[in-house]
Amino acid sequence: KAGVTQTPRYLIKTRGQQVTLSCSPISGHRSVSWYQQTPGQGLQFLFEYFSETQRNKGNFPGRFSGRQFSNSRSEMNVSTLELGDSALYLCASSLRTAGDDTQYFGPGTRLTVL
Amino acid sequence: QKEVEQDPGPLSVPEGAIVSLNCTYSNSAFQYFMWYRQYSRKGPELLMYTYSSGNKEDGRFTAQVDKSSKYISLFIRDSQPSDSATYLCAVAGGGNKLTFGTGTQLKVEL
Repeated sequence: KAGVTQTPRYLIKTRGQQVTLSCSPISGHRSVSWYQQTPGQGLQFLFEYFSETQRNKGNFPGRFSGRQFSNSRSEMNVSTLELGDSALYLCASSLRTAGDDTQYFGPGTRLTVL
Repeated sequence: QKEVEQDPGPLSVPEGAIVSLNCTYSNSAFQYFMWYRQYSRKGPELLMYTYSSGNKEDGRFTAQVDKSSKYISLFIRDSQPSDSATYLCAVAGGGNKLTFGTGTQLKVEL
């Protein structure tokens, strides 16, 4: 079974631009969560999508948004990029059932903002 | 105060040593406890998942949870150089929002 895939793996953008990251969950998984990882703050929860609806949101500004498609694939968008947005962006998928909500992470997209 | 505190290390041990990694958390609403391992330039990989106080063992790994003290631990027996990685504890209160510790960098030396 294929794992979580994220594209692209690396991105370089400049301040003020916007960026879209993509995540394909494990087959059959309907929940996708996004996290930001930086050396200073560690791994921080951005938001979770389940059945095309945002179910939970972390403490990030509105410049960070996402969506989920009917095939459970998810995209994350960051508008008006700032230098501090440079980070590894990870997505995780899960079945999100009563018996199993284990999250499996993808390899991440490393975003550098210049 | 962070919701989850974890000693960042780095921690260096000789091959074959027993490694103890620890986290404390502040919110008693957290009911699910996980340990992830992250190699350089990779995504976190789930090692252990538990939701009750006590010990859970899987091969060379043992996860320990003490809800009364809000303390979680991961023990690695017979550590190997391939165990060299960053270890992240994570907690959840239900739903899929994980709150992570900052990670402990472990190096197992030959």
